[in-house]
Amino acid sequence: DADVTQTPRNRITKTGKRIMLECSQTKGHDRMYWYRQDPGLGLRLIYYSFDVKDINKGEISDGYSVSRQAQAKFSLSLESAIPNQTALYFCATSDSKDLWTGELFFGEGSRLTVL
Amino acid sequence: QKEVEQNSGPLSVPEGAIASLNCTYSDRGSQSFFWYRQYSGKSPELIMFIYSNGDKEDGRFTAQLNKASQYVSLLIRDSQPSDSATYLCAVTTSSASKIIFGSGTRLSIRP
Repeated sequence: DADVTQTPRNRITKTGKRIMLECSQTKGHDRMYWYRQDPGLGLRLIYYSFDVKDINKGEISDGYSVSRQAQAKFSLSLESAIPNQTALYFCATSDSKDLWTGELFFGEGSRLTVL
Repeated sequence: QKEVEQNSGPLSVPEGAIASLNCTYSDRGSQSFFWYRQYSGKSPELIMFIYSNGDKEDGRFTAQLNKASQYVSLLIRDSQPSDSATYLCAVTTSSASKIIFGSGTRLSIRP
């Protein structure tokens, strides 16, 4: 089983629908992140969390919200999806003890299409 | 100005040659610098990190950092077709709170 699991892996939805992408990890890491990837734009940080009570906005948080239900779970929600939120979404984790090595462990990605 | 900038490529290099990938960053307080490799349809994976000025070598890969010029590079020696991928430069912010990625450089190794 993957250490960082994202569900769903693929989702097609319509404009205005509420969507939740879920991420769970078995690595025991305290830090979790949501990134969005668009062609030619690399990975852009949406939200990040250092622990259950510490959630921070990233570069592009507008239109998104998150919930850290437990140390191992971090969910991303689109309250009212719009077509320009069509993208590949990655969840990632890291251990604060390895801060300077910067290794992020990524899930396999969730491809979201908003029609 | 983007925080981390890379040439998007594609960069085409013959097999066996040296591939040189470059990255500049805007936050002078950045402390750590990373190169991730991403194969098409896959997740990024860390291949190198560096936090001191100079060179750091790991097998066929060498990362180079020049903090005065705010420049970091990745050299791949004896390039192989399996090196064909997108290479993402990433930087920790000066507060060390988050990791910011560049847009990536697509590398193609031609036989």
